Amino acid sequence: KNEVEQSPQNLTAQEGEFITINCSYSVGISALHWLQQHPGGGIVSLFMLSSGKKKHGRLIATINIQEKHSSLHITASHPRDSAVYICAVLEETSGSRLTFGEGTQLTVNP
Amino acid sequence: NAGVTQTPKFRILKIGQSMTLQCTQDMNHNYMYWYRQDPGMGLKLIYYSVGAGITDKGEVPNGYNVSRSTTEDFPLRLELAAPSQTSVYFCASSYSFRYEQYFGPGTRLTVT
Repeated sequence: KNEVEQSPQNLTAQEGEFITINCSYSVGISALHWLQQHPGGGIVSLFMLSSGKKKHGRLIATINIQEKHSSLHITASHPRDSAVYICAVLEETSGSRLTFGEGTQLTVNP
Repeated sequence: NAGVTQTPKFRILKIGQSMTLQCTQDMNHNYMYWYRQDPGMGLKLIYYSVGAGITDKGEVPNGYNVSRSTTEDFPLRLELAAPSQTSVYFCASSYSFRYEQYFGPGTRLTVT
């Protein structure tokens, strides 16, 4: 079992829909990252959070430390949001390295 | 700022050949990382560095070596290429472990 599990693995939505991508982890963490990997392969950091909620434009990330769960929400989805979304955790014990989920492939159709 | 740059973008190696993947960042970050991404798999840490002269192994270091002689550069060396090293390699940097990481564009390596 992976230490970081994402669901769903693949998600297809229509433009304008509200999207939720989930991330569950099994270890104690000091921080959680959400990353976006574009179709061309480039990786961009979206959020880093250790508690509560963060918002940037149409993207919202939440984390529940007690439940070991985080969600990434996209409001009013657009075809340009089509990408792989990756969750990664900074483990308390390792202190130094991120453990990555396998990613969620999102396709938003016009 | 160019951010994190990687060269080459693509490379095909024969089994047993050697090569160095270059990574440079201009953000004065102390922390730098090398990851590999295999199809359908999550990113895995190969090596990381917390500053010039300091490097440490990640999750999958076998078959690779690194050096960090300057803050800006963090090259990754493959000594005897094997087909299992066919992957996309990403370099990243950050201010510290608890800050966001900035990724380079990646190097797609094929070993045949």
